[in-house]
Amino acid sequence: NAGVTQTPKFRILKIGQSMTLQCTQDMNHNYMYWYRQDPGMGLKLIYYSVGAGITDKGEVPNGYNVSRSTTEDFPLRLELAAPSQTSVYFCASSPYRGRHNQPQHFGDGTRLSIL
Amino acid sequence: DAKTTQPPSMDCAEGRAANLPCNHSTISGNEYVYWYRQIHSQGPQYIIHGLKNNETNEMASLIITEDRKSSTLILPHATLRDTAVYYCIVRVASGGGADGLTFGKGTHLIIQP
Repeated sequence: NAGVTQTPKFRILKIGQSMTLQCTQDMNHNYMYWYRQDPGMGLKLIYYSVGAGITDKGEVPNGYNVSRSTTEDFPLRLELAAPSQTSVYFCASSPYRGRHNQPQHFGDGTRLSIL
Repeated sequence: DAKTTQPPSMDCAEGRAANLPCNHSTISGNEYVYWYRQIHSQGPQYIIHGLKNNETNEMASLIITEDRKSSTLILPHATLRDTAVYYCIVRVASGGGADGLTFGKGTHLIIQP
Protein backbone atom coordinates (compact mmCIF):
# COMPACT_ATOMS: atom_id res chain seq x y z
CA ASN A 1 0.00 0.00 0.00
CA ALA A 2 1.19 3.50 -0.84
CA GLY A 3 -0.74 5.09 2.06
CA VAL A 4 -1.13 8.86 1.67
CA THR A 5 0.55 10.30 -1.41
CA GLN A 6 1.12 14.02 -1.93
CA THR A 7 2.24 15.78 -5.10
CA PRO A 8 4.25 17.80 -5.86
CA LYS A 9 6.97 17.46 -3.21
CA PHE A 10 8.35 20.94 -3.84
CA ARG A 11 7.02 24.02 -5.60
CA ILE A 12 7.93 27.68 -5.94
CA LEU A 13 5.15 30.10 -6.82
CA LYS A 14 5.06 33.78 -7.58
CA ILE A 15 2.79 36.07 -5.59
CA GLY A 16 -0.71 36.01 -7.07
CA GLN A 17 -0.35 32.68 -8.82
CA SER A 18 -2.64 29.77 -8.02
CA MET A 19 -2.04 26.05 -7.71
CA THR A 20 -3.54 22.79 -6.49
CA LEU A 21 -1.81 20.49 -4.05
CA GLN A 22 -2.81 16.91 -4.68
CA CYS A 23 -3.50 14.28 -2.02
CA THR A 24 -4.67 10.73 -2.55
CA GLN A 25 -4.99 7.76 -0.19
CA ASP A 26 -5.50 4.08 -0.98
CA MET A 27 -6.66 2.92 2.46
CA ASN A 28 -10.39 3.64 1.89
CA HIS A 29 -10.37 6.08 4.81
CA ASN A 30 -13.43 8.25 5.26
CA TYR A 31 -11.66 11.16 6.93
CA MET A 32 -9.07 13.37 5.29
CA TYR A 33 -7.26 16.49 6.52
CA TRP A 34 -4.98 19.27 5.34
CA TYR A 35 -2.46 20.84 7.71
CA ARG A 36 0.25 23.43 7.30
CA GLN A 37 3.48 23.61 9.27
CA ASP A 38 5.48 26.80 9.51
CA PRO A 39 9.19 26.63 10.46
CA GLY A 40 9.74 25.55 14.07
CA MET A 41 6.03 25.23 14.75
CA GLY A 42 3.47 22.47 15.13
CA LEU A 43 0.86 21.62 12.52
CA LYS A 44 -2.29 23.68 12.07
CA LEU A 45 -5.49 22.32 10.52
CA ILE A 46 -6.64 24.04 7.33
CA TYR A 47 -9.61 21.94 6.16
CA TYR A 48 -10.98 18.49 6.74
CA SER A 49 -13.50 16.13 5.19
CA VAL A 50 -15.58 13.33 6.69
CA GLY A 51 -16.46 11.80 3.34
CA ALA A 52 -17.03 12.43 -0.34
CA GLY A 53 -18.97 15.64 -0.91
CA ILE A 54 -18.46 16.94 2.66
CA THR A 55 -15.78 19.43 3.74
CA ASP A 56 -15.36 21.79 6.66
CA LYS A 57 -13.02 24.54 7.82
CA GLY A 58 -10.25 24.02 10.31
CA GLU A 59 -8.23 26.55 12.27
CA VAL A 60 -6.61 28.45 9.35
CA PRO A 61 -8.81 28.13 6.20
CA ASN A 62 -8.40 31.65 4.74
CA GLY A 63 -6.81 31.68 1.31
CA TYR A 64 -7.52 28.00 0.63
CA ASN A 65 -10.27 25.88 -0.88
CA VAL A 66 -10.85 22.13 -0.94
CA SER A 67 -13.10 19.61 -2.63
CA ARG A 68 -13.81 15.94 -2.03
CA SER A 69 -15.41 14.33 -5.06
CA THR A 70 -14.11 10.83 -4.28
CA THR A 71 -13.09 8.93 -1.15
CA GLU A 72 -9.51 8.73 -2.38
CA ASP A 73 -8.73 12.33 -3.34
CA PHE A 74 -8.68 15.57 -1.36
CA PRO A 75 -7.00 18.40 -3.32
CA LEU A 76 -6.12 21.74 -1.70
CA ARG A 77 -6.40 24.85 -3.87
CA LEU A 78 -4.46 28.06 -3.31
CA GLU A 79 -5.90 31.10 -5.04
CA LEU A 80 -3.82 34.30 -5.27
CA ALA A 81 -0.76 32.93 -3.48
CA ALA A 82 0.74 35.18 -0.78
CA PRO A 83 4.14 35.03 0.98
CA SER A 84 2.33 34.12 4.23
CA GLN A 85 1.37 30.82 2.61
CA THR A 86 4.98 29.72 2.39
CA SER A 87 4.90 26.55 4.45
CA VAL A 88 5.02 22.76 4.40
CA TYR A 89 1.62 21.24 3.70
CA PHE A 90 0.65 17.82 5.02
CA CYS A 91 -2.32 15.72 4.06
CA ALA A 92 -3.61 13.01 6.40
CA SER A 93 -6.35 10.42 6.54
CA SER A 94 -8.00 8.26 9.16
CA PRO A 95 -10.62 5.51 9.15
CA TYR A 96 -14.05 5.70 10.70
CA ARG A 97 -14.50 3.21 13.53
CA GLY A 98 -17.73 4.14 15.15
CA ARG A 99 -17.29 7.00 17.56
CA HIS A 100 -13.73 6.26 18.66
CA ASN A 101 -11.12 8.56 17.16
CA GLN A 102 -8.57 6.71 15.09
CA PRO A 103 -4.90 7.60 14.47
CA GLN A 104 -4.18 9.72 11.43
CA HIS A 105 -1.84 8.65 8.66
CA PHE A 106 0.22 11.40 7.07
CA GLY A 107 1.83 11.98 3.70
CA ASP A 108 5.38 13.28 3.36
CA GLY A 109 4.34 16.84 2.63
CA THR A 110 4.56 19.48 -0.07
CA ARG A 111 7.12 22.24 0.49
CA LEU A 112 5.76 25.45 -0.98
CA SER A 113 7.57 28.77 -1.30
CA ILE A 114 5.83 31.94 -2.43
CA LEU A 115 8.20 34.58 -3.77
CA ASP B 1 -8.90 19.54 23.84
CA ALA B 2 -6.68 19.90 26.91
CA LYS B 3 -3.35 21.73 26.67
CA THR B 4 -0.10 19.78 26.94
CA THR B 5 3.36 20.81 28.12
CA GLN B 6 6.55 19.10 26.93
CA PRO B 7 10.24 19.93 27.35
CA PRO B 8 11.59 21.51 24.15
CA SER B 9 14.51 19.11 23.82
CA MET B 10 16.10 15.99 25.31
CA ASP B 11 19.19 13.88 24.68
CA CYS B 12 19.48 10.12 25.08
CA ALA B 13 22.34 7.71 24.47
CA GLU B 14 21.87 5.10 21.77
CA GLY B 15 20.71 1.78 23.20
CA ARG B 16 19.28 3.33 26.35
CA ALA B 17 15.63 3.90 27.13
CA ALA B 18 14.29 7.30 26.15
CA ASN B 19 11.66 8.65 28.53
CA LEU B 20 9.67 11.59 27.20
CA PRO B 21 7.39 13.38 29.68
CA CYS B 22 4.16 15.21 28.98
CA ASN B 23 2.04 17.26 31.36
CA HIS B 24 -1.70 17.46 30.71
CA SER B 25 -3.09 18.62 34.03
CA THR B 26 -6.41 19.84 32.57
CA ILE B 27 -7.26 16.55 30.87
CA SER B 28 -10.89 15.54 31.14
CA GLY B 29 -12.36 12.10 31.60
CA ASN B 30 -13.20 11.47 27.95
CA GLU B 31 -9.81 12.53 26.55
CA TYR B 32 -7.12 10.16 25.32
CA VAL B 33 -3.38 10.81 25.24
CA TYR B 34 -1.87 10.38 21.76
CA TRP B 35 1.79 10.40 20.76
CA TYR B 36 3.09 11.17 17.30
CA ARG B 37 6.61 11.82 16.08
CA GLN B 38 8.02 13.68 13.12
CA ILE B 39 11.37 12.70 11.68
CA HIS B 40 13.07 15.51 9.80
CA SER B 41 11.39 16.33 6.47
CA GLN B 42 8.74 13.65 6.87
CA GLY B 43 5.09 13.66 7.85
CA PRO B 44 4.08 12.90 11.44
CA GLN B 45 3.90 9.24 12.39
CA TYR B 46 1.47 7.78 14.91
CA ILE B 47 3.16 5.98 17.84
CA ILE B 48 0.65 5.05 20.51
CA HIS B 49 -2.37 6.25 22.47
CA GLY B 50 -4.13 5.46 25.75
CA LEU B 51 -6.87 6.51 28.15
CA LYS B 52 -5.77 5.49 31.65
CA ASN B 53 -4.13 2.08 31.49
CA ASN B 54 -0.54 1.67 30.44
CA GLU B 55 -0.17 0.70 26.81
CA THR B 56 2.57 -1.04 24.84
CA ASN B 57 3.06 -1.75 21.17
CA GLU B 58 5.96 -2.63 18.91
CA MET B 59 7.24 0.94 18.92
CA ALA B 60 6.87 2.18 22.48
CA SER B 61 5.20 2.07 25.89
CA LEU B 62 2.91 4.71 27.33
CA ILE B 63 2.70 5.21 31.08
CA ILE B 64 -0.17 7.39 32.33
CA THR B 65 -0.25 8.47 35.97
CA GLU B 66 -3.19 7.41 38.10
CA ASP B 67 -4.59 10.97 38.21
CA ARG B 68 -4.03 11.19 34.41
CA LYS B 69 -2.40 14.59 34.71
CA SER B 70 0.84 13.46 33.14
CA SER B 71 2.26 10.67 31.01
CA THR B 72 5.58 9.31 29.79
CA LEU B 73 6.41 7.84 26.41
CA ILE B 74 9.13 5.21 26.64
CA LEU B 75 11.27 4.09 23.71
CA PRO B 76 12.93 1.04 25.28
CA HIS B 77 16.11 0.83 23.21
CA ALA B 78 16.61 4.09 21.37
CA THR B 79 18.41 4.08 18.02
CA LEU B 80 19.74 6.94 15.92
CA ARG B 81 16.63 6.63 13.75
CA ASP B 82 14.51 7.64 16.74
CA THR B 83 15.88 11.19 16.55
CA ALA B 84 12.73 13.22 15.88
CA VAL B 85 10.26 15.71 17.32
CA TYR B 86 7.75 13.93 19.56
CA TYR B 87 4.28 15.36 20.03
CA CYS B 88 1.98 14.62 22.95
CA ILE B 89 -1.65 15.36 22.04
CA VAL B 90 -4.74 15.13 24.20
CA ARG B 91 -7.91 14.51 22.31
CA VAL B 92 -11.50 13.54 22.98
CA ALA B 93 -12.08 9.84 22.56
CA SER B 94 -15.43 10.08 20.82
CA GLY B 95 -16.76 12.12 17.95
CA GLY B 96 -15.70 9.87 15.11
CA GLY B 97 -12.37 11.52 14.41
CA ALA B 98 -13.66 14.27 12.20
CA ASP B 99 -11.73 16.98 13.97
CA GLY B 100 -8.05 17.62 13.43
CA LEU B 101 -5.14 17.12 15.80
CA THR B 102 -3.76 20.05 17.77
CA PHE B 103 0.03 19.99 17.55
CA GLY B 104 2.23 22.03 19.88
CA LYS B 105 5.99 22.40 19.47
CA GLY B 106 6.78 18.95 20.88
CA THR B 107 10.06 17.60 22.26
CA HIS B 108 13.07 17.35 20.01
CA LEU B 109 14.68 14.04 21.02
CA ILE B 110 18.28 13.64 19.95
CA ILE B 111 19.81 10.18 20.18
CA GLN B 112 23.56 10.39 20.72
CA PRO B 113 25.86 7.65 19.36
